[in-house]
Amino acid sequence: GNSVTQMEGPVTLSEEAFLTINCTYTATGYPSLFWYVQYPGEGLQLLLKATKADDKGSNKGFEATYRKETTSFHLEKGSVQVSDSAVYFCALSALNYGGATNKLIFGTGTLLAVQP
Amino acid sequence: NAGVTQTPKFRVLKTGQSMTLLCAQDMNHEYMYWYRQDPGMGLRLIHYSVGEGTTAKGEVPDGYNVSRLKKQNFLLGLESAAPSQTSVYFCASRLAGVQETQYFGPGTRLLVL
Repeated sequence: GNSVTQMEGPVTLSEEAFLTINCTYTATGYPSLFWYVQYPGEGLQLLLKATKADDKGSNKGFEATYRKETTSFHLEKGSVQVSDSAVYFCALSALNYGGATNKLIFGTGTLLAVQP
Repeated sequence: NAGVTQTPKFRVLKTGQSMTLLCAQDMNHEYMYWYRQDPGMGLRLIHYSVGEGTTAKGEVPDGYNVSRLKKQNFLLGLESAAPSQTSVYFCASRLAGVQETQYFGPGTRLLVL
């Protein structure tokens, strides 16, 4: 079946440090891949997405590349800020063949804490 | 354009009580979803709907019912609340296209004593 595995947190970094949050997936077919971010007390917001192999999603300085050969979609940012402190969720959306909807399968989330 | 809104924001129930969570979206989205979020488990799909008048079960549907009488609203009901239903509930919606993004509401925090 479809599943997403992401690194456990918390990840604690100093401001301006480099960030990597690992995400690997298992899926049949050709899923789309997403990173969502959840700031304290809020709902999830789409951060970036990639819909096919070798695509790179990017937003707000964050990047992730869809690697089919390693079934990975690692999130990176070159220089984190205190305002990036949040929980980050990796997710995949696999076509439900014969069904009516793409369902999102989420990882367990990684808490990022950035210290000044 | 308010996006996805959820009512209430927070609720405390006693075991056995019932309640309804309301999700509303003003983006004319066809698909709507209810998730629950528990520590260390990410988000799990409870029920979803692909259009007005239709609903379907997700991963963890037991103990919940849903209705989609109007396109813009998706209701989640707990007929007899249990402590295991203590969680944060998120609603999401999206357009029907294959690559469309899900948009989430701010969540409802439910505590069942």
